[in-house]
Amino acid sequence: DTGVSQDPRHKITKRGQNVTFRCDPISEHNRLYWYRQTLGQGPEFLTYFQNEAQLEKSRLLSDRFSAERPKGSFSTLEIQRTEQGDSAMYLCASSLASTTEAFFGQGTRLTVV
Amino acid sequence: QQQVKQSPQSLIVQKGGISIINCAYENTAFDYFPWYQQFPGKGPALLIAIRPDVSEKKEGRFTISFNKSAKQFSLHIMDSQPGDSATYFCAATQGGSEKLVFGKGTKLTVNP
Repeated sequence: DTGVSQDPRHKITKRGQNVTFRCDPISEHNRLYWYRQTLGQGPEFLTYFQNEAQLEKSRLLSDRFSAERPKGSFSTLEIQRTEQGDSAMYLCASSLASTTEAFFGQGTRLTVV
Repeated sequence: QQQVKQSPQSLIVQKGGISIINCAYENTAFDYFPWYQQFPGKGPALLIAIRPDVSEKKEGRFTISFNKSAKQFSLHIMDSQPGDSATYFCAATQGGSEKLVFGKGTKLTVNP
C-alpha cells in the first residue's frame, strides 16, 4: 500500500492519559500535515512539517499537543493529559513541496472516556 | 470566523440526476480550491481541484465552476450514482500557507 498510513485506527483512552499516534506519509512526500475532524465538521489544520522541520502550528494545538517528525519520514502526534474534548478523528496528510495536492490517511479515531 | 462557507448541509438526489454543492470564500489570497470526498470511517480523498486562472474544470462526471468576482465555486456531479453517496468538502489554501481551510461538508445521498 503506497498511501498515507495511520496507526492505530481507533484508540479509546481514559481522561488524563497520554496517547500517541503515528503517521507514515507517502514515501517521496516531504510535507506532512496533521488535521483534526470532529463529527459533522470539516478537518481543521493542526500543524505541518517540511522534512523534519515543523513550520506552522495552529492555535488549536495547545501545550498538551506535540508533534514530531524526527527523520523527515514518519511523524507522531502526542496528546498529554487527554480531555473529553480531544475526542475526534485525527487525520494525517502528505504532499510534495512542489504541489498543493494533499493526500489523507484513514485517520485515527480517538475516544476519551 | 469561517473562511469557507459550504451549502447545502445535506442533499438528496435521484440516480442519474445532477448534484450541485456550493462554496463561498472570503480570503481573496486563496489560490487553490480542491474538493474532497469522504466515506464514513475513511479519510478525505482528493476529487478535483481548480486554480482561479480558469473558470471551469471537468474530470469525468465531476466539474468545478469558479467565479472569482463572486468569490464562489461549486461542484457539479453529473449522472449521480448511489456510489457517489458520501460527504463532500470544499477547501481552499493560499500560496505560502500550506494549510487547507475546509468547509463544513455536504452529505450527499443518491437514491437508486
